[in-house]
Amino acid sequence: QKEVEQDPGPLSVPEGAIVSLNCTYSNSAFQYFMWYRQYSRKGPELLMYTYSSGNKEDGRFTAQVDKSSKYISLFIRDSQPSDSATYLCAMSRYNTGNQFYFGTGTSLTVIP
Amino acid sequence: DVKVTQSSRYLVKRTGEKVFLECVQDMDHENMFWYRQDPGLGLRLIYFSYDVKMKEKGDIPEGYSVSREKKERFSLILESASTNQTSMYLCASSTGRPRTLGNTIYFGEGSWLTVV
Repeated sequence: QKEVEQDPGPLSVPEGAIVSLNCTYSNSAFQYFMWYRQYSRKGPELLMYTYSSGNKEDGRFTAQVDKSSKYISLFIRDSQPSDSATYLCAMSRYNTGNQFYFGTGTSLTVIP
Repeated sequence: DVKVTQSSRYLVKRTGEKVFLECVQDMDHENMFWYRQDPGLGLRLIYFSYDVKMKEKGDIPEGYSVSREKKERFSLILESASTNQTSMYLCASSTGRPRTLGNTIYFGEGSWLTVV
């Protein structure tokens, strides 16, 4: 079983829709959670990071962590064509160190 | 702004050639990484380094080596390129110091390598 599971999609939504992207994980020791956005032929760009459970909001983006269910989500409100990208989740156990675990990414297209 | 710079964005090399991919970070990070990314396989760790001259094998080190002579620079070397090494290569870095708000990893723009 993979440490981190992410539905690859593809996901296609109309402009203005609310998008929900999700990852599940198996290791209850994960405490730090990240979301990256990756445009075609570019490197992943850090979008949001959160610690432990709860919500974090940044503009149109909300990251949610449910540690009891080992489930994290990224919500995008009022989605725009410029949000079309692959979104990767990532997580780690410690607030330092060099062990990161990634989902395989969900491809999102926002249709104008 | 954090910055991880990969010097070569697109390369085409012949089978058997020695290939160098260079990466520089300006964040004074202790940890540096090389990943390859392939469709459907996600990110796979090749090597990482936690200090100058120190390195650890990742999940797929075969056919690769690395060099870290300075803290800010981490190089990936393909000793004898093969067609199955055609891929997107991503360099990344992270701090080795505890961060109250969490541990994050930062990526470069990627190097697209085609081996023919």
